Amino acid sequence: GAGVSQSPSNKVTEKGKDVELRCDPISGHTALYWYRQSLGQGLEFLIYFQGNSAPDKSGLPSDRFSAERTGGSVSTLTIQRTQQEDSAVYLCASSLTVVTSTEAFFGQGTRLTVV
Amino acid sequence: AQKITQTQPGMFVQEKEAVTLDCTYDTSDQSYGLFWYKQPSSGEMIFLIYQGSYDEQNATEGRYSLNFQKARKSANLVISASQLGDSAMYFCAIDTNSGYALNFGKGTSLLVTP
Repeated sequence: GAGVSQSPSNKVTEKGKDVELRCDPISGHTALYWYRQSLGQGLEFLIYFQGNSAPDKSGLPSDRFSAERTGGSVSTLTIQRTQQEDSAVYLCASSLTVVTSTEAFFGQGTRLTVV
Repeated sequence: AQKITQTQPGMFVQEKEAVTLDCTYDTSDQSYGLFWYKQPSSGEMIFLIYQGSYDEQNATEGRYSLNFQKARKSANLVISASQLGDSAMYFCAIDTNSGYALNFGKGTSLLVTP
C-alpha cells in the first residue's frame, strides 16, 4: 500500500474484554514496530518484528499483551482482559530493515479507550 | 539508558517567523542517531530530519535544520519561515543501543498564528 494502514482508527471497549489492533505495513518493508502513546506522553516502544520474528518482547507492558506477524506483512497486537490504563493511541511503523530507524514510516494509529 | 528531554510543552510563533524547539539528550553511547518527528492532529508521525552523532555538519531538510551541539548534548530543531500547517506536536527521539527502537521525548506543541 501507499502507507502504513492501521485499523480500527478508534476502538472503545469494556474493561475485561480482549481487543485486536491491526497494522498493514508498506509493501516490501521487512521491519515492523509497535509503539504506545499515552495522553500527553511521548511514544513508548512495545515490540518490533523482523520478518515474522519478534526477537525482543521485553517492551510489552504485561503478559496481557501479545503480537504476531504473518507472511511478513500484516501484524496484530492483541490485548487481553483490557484495563483502563491500556487506554492510549497505539502506533505502528514499518521500515525496509531494522538496521536504522531513519526510514520508519508511521500509521495514523488506533485510539483505544477502555471504559 | 538513553533519555530525551523536551522542556517546552508549548510554543507560539507568528507565521513567517523562525522558531527553535529544544531537545537535550543523555546517552552513554558514542554512536547514536537523533530524530525529529512531527505529529499533526491526524495522529500520524511524520519523519522530519535525522542527525548522526558523527556527522560534522548540521542536518538540513528544506525549512528544517537541526542545531546539533554534541558537547552540550543538544539537538534543537529550527523551523524557518513558519507556516500555519506547521502547527503540530514535535517529538525529538534518539535511537537505542539496539538500533531498532527509538526513545522519544514528551513533545512540544507548536502553534503558528497568522
